[in-house]
Amino acid sequence: DVVMTQSPLSLPVTLGQPASISCRSSQSLVHSDGNTYLDWFQQRPGQSPRRLIYKVSTRDSGVPDRFSGSGSGTDFTLKISRVEAEDVGVYYCMQGTHSWTFGQGTKVELK
Amino acid sequence: QGQLVESGGGVVQPGRSLRLSCAASGFTFSSYGIHWVRQPPGKGLEWVAVISYDGSNNYYADSVKGRFTISRDNSKNTLWLQMNSLRAEDTAVYYCTHFGSWGQGTRVTVSS
Repeated sequence: DVVMTQSPLSLPVTLGQPASISCRSSQSLVHSDGNTYLDWFQQRPGQSPRRLIYKVSTRDSGVPDRFSGSGSGTDFTLKISRVEAEDVGVYYCMQGTHSWTFGQGTKVELK
Repeated sequence: QGQLVESGGGVVQPGRSLRLSCAASGFTFSSYGIHWVRQPPGKGLEWVAVISYDGSNNYYADSVKGRFTISRDNSKNTLWLQMNSLRAEDTAVYYCTHFGSWGQGTRVTVSS
């Protein structure tokens, strides 16, 4: 089974400052079809998850452009260019190349 | 991306069964593989099962294999999760999703 490891697990952030979350997989996420199925989800307190990014770097409709995804192979990153108050919540990476597996989640909170 | 609405959760004793439903609208349901994902209280997300767009293929997490069955009826835009031999560790909020859209979840509590 593919294991997804996120770091850090807790991320205190300052409004207006950048933030970054790392996600590493135990094996390459490059699919035989050439795509890399790595998504990022945001879960605000008391809400259902919401997908932000799919296939490493494509933003979903309506997602602010301060969110960006990057990476390849086994190493991936979600970046928030300038944190806003509404960004508080838990962020999960998920791989969909070898079945489906979520990372443990990274809790983003204001300092 | 559409709307997904789960129902059927509740409190059930260990070893008993429960059937969850997911009603879809606002998108072409029959074009999407649909997943069940669960979240135990205070914990992270766990993928549970998926069914292909036409119902011909399904896959399960090892933790539920042999106990849970995913099914769908595209004529009714509905997805189900039949959960048998329930255990305390199955306690969670269960979401149906095609990842681009999520329902609000339905809570399942397995307790004597």
